Amino acid sequence: RKEVEQDPGPFNVPEGATVAFNCTYSNSASQSFFWYRQDCRKEPKLLMSVYSSGNEDGRFTAQLNRASQYISLLIRDSKLSDSATYLCVVKSANQAGTALIFGKGTTLSVSS
Amino acid sequence: DAGVIQSPRHEVTEMGQEVTLRCKPISGHNSLFWYRQTMMRGLELLIYFNNNVPIDDSGMPEDRFSAKMPNASFSTLKIQPSEPRDSAVYFCASSMGSRRNSPLHFGNGTRLTVT
Repeated sequence: RKEVEQDPGPFNVPEGATVAFNCTYSNSASQSFFWYRQDCRKEPKLLMSVYSSGNEDGRFTAQLNRASQYISLLIRDSKLSDSATYLCVVKSANQAGTALIFGKGTTLSVSS
Repeated sequence: DAGVIQSPRHEVTEMGQEVTLRCKPISGHNSLFWYRQTMMRGLELLIYFNNNVPIDDSGMPEDRFSAKMPNASFSTLKIQPSEPRDSAVYFCASSMGSRRNSPLHFGNGTRLTVT
């Protein structure tokens, strides 16, 4: 089982739609969780951190379920500018140290 | 406020040649990461440093790859000899590793093409 798994998509949605992405992770000792956004031919950029209590930033809501080892990202009222690849990221510790492990990403395409 | 700076932005080289990628992390960040991104495999962690010391290099593909961090403001990733399968985008990232929720800040990446 891969450390971080995501549905690659693509998700093709119209403007204004609500879309949800899911992510599962295998290391139950994982410490921190993030969603990153990557535009075509650009570097990944932090979208938001994910907390057990859930957190919201405008149209974006992230949730963490530690028992199920599951992370989600909800985007409401999709905009054309939301088109990008969304990467689920898990900070895990192993014998060597602590590093951030990325999922392969879920591609979102919002159309007018 | 300068972000992570990588050079070169693009590198095209022939198989067998040595390739050196460079990275300057954000000042004050004590963790530095090298990632490789391809369509097939996504973002793969190659190696990371804490306080200039390599912590985990288990992601380095093979002995042809080496990385150094001689000081807190500079790191290199070297491929010698390069092969066509090394073609990818190589990202350097830095963070305040001591903080639990410290995010990664990525450079623009180096797009490597080995012919």
